[in-house]
Amino acid sequence: DQQVKQNSPSLSVQEGRISILNCDYTNSMFDYFLWYKKYPAEGPTFLISISSIKDKNEDGRFTVFLNKSAKHLSLHIVPSQPGDSAVYFCAATLWSNTDKLIFGTGTRLQVFP
Amino acid sequence: DVKVTQSSRYLVKRTGEKVFLECVQDMDHENMFWYRQDPGLGLRLIYFSYDVKMKEKGDIPEGYSVSREKKERFSLILESASTNQTSMYLCASSLPGTSGNEQFFGPGTRLTVL
Repeated sequence: DQQVKQNSPSLSVQEGRISILNCDYTNSMFDYFLWYKKYPAEGPTFLISISSIKDKNEDGRFTVFLNKSAKHLSLHIVPSQPGDSAVYFCAATLWSNTDKLIFGTGTRLQVFP
Repeated sequence: DVKVTQSSRYLVKRTGEKVFLECVQDMDHENMFWYRQDPGLGLRLIYFSYDVKMKEKGDIPEGYSVSREKKERFSLILESASTNQTSMYLCASSLPGTSGNEQFFGPGTRLTVL
């Protein structure tokens, strides 16, 4: 039972344009959502997070939006750069167990010149 | 700079062999995790440890065991490796008990079981 879903396995975007990565979830008890970025042959690195009590969090070129009624979050990257090409994982934690992350299946983003 | 290291980047083993994957963190974190990453399946939690000698099964513990004798070290053991355990294995650590806690990952071990 996949509680965190990333339905687009891949996304291709031109440099300078906006990249939008989507994530859907089923469990209304999630209290925090995180995005991780993973380059090949490296471990994932934390990118940005958002609490379930907020609807937006911004950090430089990265903004995460949370729509709780739709159980949907999205990561916007503006402007996209070739160095953003990586696999992006959405993850969530439960109120009852904040130590464990539940990951989505990932979206491979390719930014081309 | 925080660091999680894994003993091998690439490993090739034969079916039936016992395999040890080692992970060390230098951040004095209580929590340590082992995941495997497979195409189309994302990161799946194998085992989790929240203190020395403490462990908890994750989503896919079958065929694996773990050992945590020291706070900084968390080992994943494949008692009898099988071809379906060919995967990328990732270790992570974190501080306990705070919402939105970031987990710090090692570089991963690409294990191939022949």
